[in-house]
Amino acid sequence: EIVLTQSPGTLSLSPGERATLSCRASQSVSSSYLAWYQQKPGQAPRLLIYGASSRATGIPDRFSGSGSGTDFTLTISRLEPEDFAVYYCQQYDSSPMYTFGQGTKLEIK
Amino acid sequence: EVQLVESGGGLVKPGGSLRLSCAGSGFTFSNAWMSWVRQAPGKGLEWVGRVKSKADGGATDYAAPVKGRFTISRDDSRNTLYLQMNSLKTEDTAMYYCTTNHLWHLRYWGQGTLVTVSS
Repeated sequence: EIVLTQSPGTLSLSPGERATLSCRASQSVSSSYLAWYQQKPGQAPRLLIYGASSRATGIPDRFSGSGSGTDFTLTISRLEPEDFAVYYCQQYDSSPMYTFGQGTKLEIK
Repeated sequence: EVQLVESGGGLVKPGGSLRLSCAGSGFTFSNAWMSWVRQAPGKGLEWVGRVKSKADGGATDYAAPVKGRFTISRDDSRNTLYLQMNSLKTEDTAMYYCTTNHLWHLRYWGQGTLVTVSS
């Protein structure tokens, strides 16, 4: 089973700053199989990035994804107040099919 | 607009059963592969299982913690997905979300329904 480890656990930044979130896999993951989600308190997760770097419909271009192999990154170029949330990476494999990282909480400094 | 609306959650005793429903609209439900994902209170996301479209064989797959206890089914005439949960354990307490599968990611999510397993 591929394990995804996200870092940092909590990231404290101010609006306007750049956020860099990391997702490291225990084995190599196809870029096609790596996605990122945003979850705000009391809400369902929302797909942000799929295929490691493709933005989902309606996602602002300040969100970008990159990486390959075992190291993937979600970057938010300039933080808006509504971006403070928990972010999860997810990968697809044969079994179990979908696994998630433990999440990174992005909080206002 | 795609909408997924879950229902059926509630309080159930350990060893009990519960059936969740997810009504889909705004897309061709019969063509969609669908998954259930759960989130224990204050914890991360855990995939529960998936059902393919009938056109693609309708097969189901499950995560190890629920295999043999949970069953996913679908009624395409009602645009509804189901999760039958038997032999419930306290560790099954969670918010349960239904999602649409798109290739290797989970595109649309419902708002979730809360299941609490407690005596």
